[in-house]
Amino acid sequence: QSALTQPASVSGSPGQSITISCTGTSSDVGGYNYVSWYQQHPGKAPKLMIYDVSNRPSGVSDRFSGSKSGNTASLTISGLQAEDEADYYCTSYTTSSTWVFGGGTKLTVL
Amino acid sequence: QVQLVESGGGLVKPGGSLRLSCAVSGFTFSDYYMSWIRQAPGKGLEWVSYISVRSNTNYADSVKGRFTISRDNAKNSLFLQMDSLRVEDTAVYYCARGGATRFPYWGQGTLVTVSS
Repeated sequence: QSALTQPASVSGSPGQSITISCTGTSSDVGGYNYVSWYQQHPGKAPKLMIYDVSNRPSGVSDRFSGSKSGNTASLTISGLQAEDEADYYCTSYTTSSTWVFGGGTKLTVL
Repeated sequence: QVQLVESGGGLVKPGGSLRLSCAVSGFTFSDYYMSWIRQAPGKGLEWVSYISVRSNTNYADSVKGRFTISRDNAKNSLFLQMDSLRVEDTAVYYCARGGATRFPYWGQGTLVTVSS
């Protein structure tokens, strides 16, 4: 199972919006709505930010939103803040009943 | 609140074995899928294995036949038996609640280093 494809890095200024893409295949992203996104600060455990493509867990800011079109899922962060600077990972359930993660995207807040 | 605490990591030689444990609290352990997810130093996340509430299991191809996941519902504990360890298994291993649809809770991880 190949890793999902994410851009290695994205950046934006405070207050701006950014979007991180996550591209898979019809055997994972395109075939299921079990796509979730995780935020990871250095030295910390990942934190669930979006699940089932576009749902936010309680306590996660509504500045974070998710969507999917075909084999590509996206995470959008609006109103960028300094504390959003972190690594972001997508993951999807697969037809093999396994999970596959993206390679991760480093978000820099300029 | 939900807590997951991993233990059992350490330094092991290639070909050796190690058993990781994850003690959980704050939820009814037997009601949930549980997973192991790892992260090699400076690298991304890699799903390793999950175990269902009925103890059905699945593994990543990279560990299939070498790693065994298990659970003890009476002790609220999750385990990962790792045999025939390779240098490329070096990683922080996270215990996570979930594996059916998402991973909402994670432990802080335990470092496994495979080196001669």
